[in-house]
Amino acid sequence: QTVVTQEPSFSVSPGGTVTLTCGLNSGSVSTSHSPTWYQQTPGQAPRTLIYNTNARSSGVPDRFSGSILGNKGALTITGAQADDESHYYCVLYMGRGVSVFGGGTKLTVL
Amino acid sequence: EVQLVESGGDLVQPGGSLTLSCVASGSDFTFSNLWMSWVRQAPGKGLEWVATINQYGSQTFYVDSVKGRFTISRDTPKNSVYLQMNSLRADDTAVYYCARFGRNCTATACYGGWFDPWGQGTLVTVSS
Repeated sequence: QTVVTQEPSFSVSPGGTVTLTCGLNSGSVSTSHSPTWYQQTPGQAPRTLIYNTNARSSGVPDRFSGSILGNKGALTITGAQADDESHYYCVLYMGRGVSVFGGGTKLTVL
Repeated sequence: EVQLVESGGDLVQPGGSLTLSCVASGSDFTFSNLWMSWVRQAPGKGLEWVATINQYGSQTFYVDSVKGRFTISRDTPKNSVYLQMNSLRADDTAVYYCARFGRNCTATACYGGWFDPWGQGTLVTVSS
């Protein structure tokens, strides 16, 4: 069974830089998985930040960036702001029409 | 940009059925070219992909937990996609989101996939 792994929680200081990761329980994440990142606040639909590894969605500030780091997908937030405090989810495309979400990371800015 | 609006969420008893609808609107898109998906989120939990349908309606894909119970379909002239849910269980309780399934396509093939944009969701509650 495919499991997509994310850090359950992370903290960053205002103005700091944080990198959240998206891994696989078996194998490495590559661009073929099209790692995609969403930000979600309670009661709201997910907001697409980064899709297809490193493409920034319309209207997303350039302090959000996506990449492959080692064997994981990565979302880097540079110059964190208070309103970045949120849940972040990644999703990987596993082929044959199947997509798997990670469990999400709760980011605290303090 | 395409906008998506879901409807049909309701309170239903275990073992019951429900059909969700999603209508696409906006400018600069051709619904007949779009793959579409449903993603759900149980209360207080993370996101879970549920189903995807290709642009022709000829290919459908499901998470294991709904196979044989849920059916995704589309009506392209109506710019709509549906999720028929049968044999509902308590653990199907969730907000169900409709989303476009984007793909990276060359002249000969498509690769990868991601969900964007999303609708605002519709709540399905399975309880007696």
